[in-house]
Amino acid sequence: DAGVIQSPRHEVTEMGQEVTLRCKPISGHDYLFWYRQTMMRGLELLIYFNNNVPIDDSGMPEDRFSAKMPNASFSTLKIQPSEPRDSAVYFCASSLVGAAYGYTFGSGTRLTVV
Amino acid sequence: GESVGLHLPTLSVQEGDNSIINCAYSNSASDYFIWYKQESGKGPQFIIDIRSNMDKRQGQRVTVLLNKTVKHLSLQIAATQPGDSAVYFCADHSGGYQKVTFGTGTKLQVIP
Repeated sequence: DAGVIQSPRHEVTEMGQEVTLRCKPISGHDYLFWYRQTMMRGLELLIYFNNNVPIDDSGMPEDRFSAKMPNASFSTLKIQPSEPRDSAVYFCASSLVGAAYGYTFGSGTRLTVV
Repeated sequence: GESVGLHLPTLSVQEGDNSIINCAYSNSASDYFIWYKQESGKGPQFIIDIRSNMDKRQGQRVTVLLNKTVKHLSLQIAATQPGDSAVYFCADHSGGYQKVTFGTGTKLQVIP
């Protein structure tokens, strides 16, 4: 298995532009999580899905952030419009049966908003 | 004023020595704990886990100890190697929620 695949690895965009981050979870995993990592706040959970359904989005910073999971093999995190304070590394993780066996993280997308 | 970044505690260890990384958690209802290792430019990687009904669990070169009385978790790495250099995070899970809370992390530097 190729693991959790995220794209792009790096994204540089101008303030105000729309940004879409993509994630392909491990086949068969029924939970998908989006995390954001910054030096200021460490790892923060943004949202998670179970069987493609959003369960908890309380970590999503504001309405500029949205996430979808149209099927079991694909999820997106969109920021519109982007702001410099959104600059961070965004990780996607998937797991089987929630947290019970630990998460498998992707390599992350480093987002820079200038 | 300008905000400062999170300053990670750093543990420097001589190659071949044992490392002990500590973590405190706050939720007495946490029932499952995990240690992750994050190398530069990569996502966190699962190392070892322990359930709240245990106080010790061993893996290959790693041991996790859990003290529920003082809400403390530790990760012991035997014979530390340069490849162990990374940031280590503890994470805890509370029953009923399919998400974990990550600690701030400890940076381990192995001195050759």
